[in-house]
Amino acid sequence: GAGVSQSPRYKVAKRGQDVALRCDPISGHVSLFWYQQALGQGPEFLTYFQNEAQLDKSGLPSDRFFAERPEGSVSTLKIQRTQQEDSAVYLCASSPDRVGNNEQFFGPGTRLTVL
Amino acid sequence: GNSVTQMEGPVTLSEEAFLTINCTYTATGYPSLFWYVQYPGEGLQLLLKATKADDKGSNKGFEATYRKETTSFHLEKGSVQVSDSAVYFCALTPFGNEKLTFGTGTRLTIIP
Repeated sequence: GAGVSQSPRYKVAKRGQDVALRCDPISGHVSLFWYQQALGQGPEFLTYFQNEAQLDKSGLPSDRFFAERPEGSVSTLKIQRTQQEDSAVYLCASSPDRVGNNEQFFGPGTRLTVL
Repeated sequence: GNSVTQMEGPVTLSEEAFLTINCTYTATGYPSLFWYVQYPGEGLQLLLKATKADDKGSNKGFEATYRKETTSFHLEKGSVQVSDSAVYFCALTPFGNEKLTFGTGTRLTIIP
């Protein structure tokens, strides 16, 4: 079946613009994660959903970042009033069960460049 | 807090050479440990994992052993191929938690 998909793959925004990044997880996967990967660094956790519930948003760097998963499937990460330091690759991952230690399946990422 | 430290790259080896990429971690309790790989132009994918002390994860000729006494999870392969060229990430999840903490990644290039 299809893997995790993300759109757009590339996004260029002017500083101050709002952006919305979409993630389509693997069908039926309960858990969904967002990570931010700066150039030359490992991914860093942003937020976690179990179905439609956002159980952990401790990694969101500021209140300009907002994520939702209203029907427990597709998720959107929104960044308001983008800043240059928001430039990064945003990765979405899903896993099949709410029990720990499951493999996370990653999407290809959205590369955001803020000018 | 939790953290992962891995060998800085880039690493360049000749085909059929022996590979070691070092990884050490800091975590409370008993984390699960992972190696993820990112091939050029592709997304992150799980290479191997170990969920308790002394477990050995293995896949595609790669191996890593969960060493609690040295808080390490070094990645090894006896004979690398050009197709192993990629960026390798060591990562952990704390016990009972799914949130991955990654190292900074090691870029591996294998030359024929």
